[in-house]
Amino acid sequence: SQQGEEDPQALSIQEGENATMNCSYKTSINNLQWYRQNSGRGLVHLILIRSNEREKHSGRLRVTLDTSKKSSSLLITASRAADTASYFCATDASYNTDKLIFGTGTRLQVFP
Amino acid sequence: NAGVTQTPKFQVLKTGQSMTLQCAQDMNHEYMSWYRQDPGMGLRLIHYSVGAGITDQGEVPNGYNVSRSTTEDFPLRLLSAAPSQTSVYFCASSASLNEQFFGPGTRLTVL
Repeated sequence: SQQGEEDPQALSIQEGENATMNCSYKTSINNLQWYRQNSGRGLVHLILIRSNEREKHSGRLRVTLDTSKKSSSLLITASRAADTASYFCATDASYNTDKLIFGTGTRLQVFP
Repeated sequence: NAGVTQTPKFQVLKTGQSMTLQCAQDMNHEYMSWYRQDPGMGLRLIHYSVGAGITDQGEVPNGYNVSRSTTEDFPLRLLSAAPSQTSVYFCASSASLNEQFFGPGTRLTVL
């Protein structure tokens, strides 16, 4: 079964608003990553957070990690229409660091 | 650099046919993976490789074979196509698992 589950499945917001997506996973991890997928395209890596980190920033992205709750959140601030895409979390289980398992994704729609 | 390339972009097969999806990367990455993406299911790992000559199964390996004879290439073989294998297939490569680079995908329809 898949390691990660994103919540919500779909999110619609207006430009300028913040978008928050959540990811829950099942086993202990070394790292958690977030990827973005534009419609019909391959995934693109956004950011990685290690299991000993609690928060990380990259431009308008803010990622948090709570290993006690086995959850992460991705915040996109001041969203733009170009942020419209699907967002996936991915984890490598600490017992098997050779596999990267993806969640089911959140579809974000940003209206101009 | 071309990055990760996949061929073909689109393919239609009849049930029972076999075919090979090609994946190549020019970044000298050791890790390569195959995923399938179905609506509402996200990406599921089919097979992966941590280097030439080494492959292992992912979450949904049944009906697929892989081999890794070179660092650059990681073909995925469908042995006897079934309608349940209709999906979009993505190949990815990375130096470690910390940042995977994805190909553009192959859309496969099995009739």
